[in-house]
Amino acid sequence: DADVTQTPRNRITKTGKRIMLECSQTKGHDRMYWYRQDPGLGLRLIYYSFDVKDINKGEISDGYSVSRQAQAKFSLSLESAIPNQTALYFCATSDPSGTGSDEQYFGPGTRLTVT
Amino acid sequence: KNQVEQSPQSLIILEGKNCTLQCNYTVSPFSNLRWYKQDTGRGPVSLTIMTFSENTKSNGRYTATLDADTKQSSLHITASQLSDSASYICVVTIKAAGNKLTFGGGTRVLVKP
Repeated sequence: DADVTQTPRNRITKTGKRIMLECSQTKGHDRMYWYRQDPGLGLRLIYYSFDVKDINKGEISDGYSVSRQAQAKFSLSLESAIPNQTALYFCATSDPSGTGSDEQYFGPGTRLTVT
Repeated sequence: KNQVEQSPQSLIILEGKNCTLQCNYTVSPFSNLRWYKQDTGRGPVSLTIMTFSENTKSNGRYTATLDADTKQSSLHITASQLSDSASYICVVTIKAAGNKLTFGGGTRVLVKP
């Protein structure tokens, strides 16, 4: 969905490096999310934010941190990357006040490889 | 533990044929169930959404059913097209603060000419 963009789309980094994944949205949604997807597994929630001043841990937040710089921007950081953080990362947004029952809209994903 | 299980993990069908994907869940309390389509290299896109009181929902050639008593859902694809090749993900929303989503592992569908 072009309304939710992620940068970079692909990244290869080395163990121990700090890396930031960025997400921007033009949908005007207050809620934003970060997920990771591993082969054969469902998407798992890393962090979520219901507004600029609200940050919450998801089910797999260890090793990650986030920053909500503005309503439209939500960044995910890996302070010291490790190989088992190799995965596909998705950002999503939602609006609970809309007609879609808080439907989440996903970005195109960032493929991260940690060597 | 809240879980969403999908079957089969993958399937191959010929163009023009029908297929049905299954989703069983143990999520409680239940708010709604969605089916998403995820094309390779893309983010998931919502196909259908059903609440507790809905038994079926269609979106073009996609028809989802829900049996809240047995906690089962299915997604039926009619007259498959090559563009239906994708992963289909069942997602159940927990009726609680934050509307947490629980994702199934997906079924990968390959439509062959």
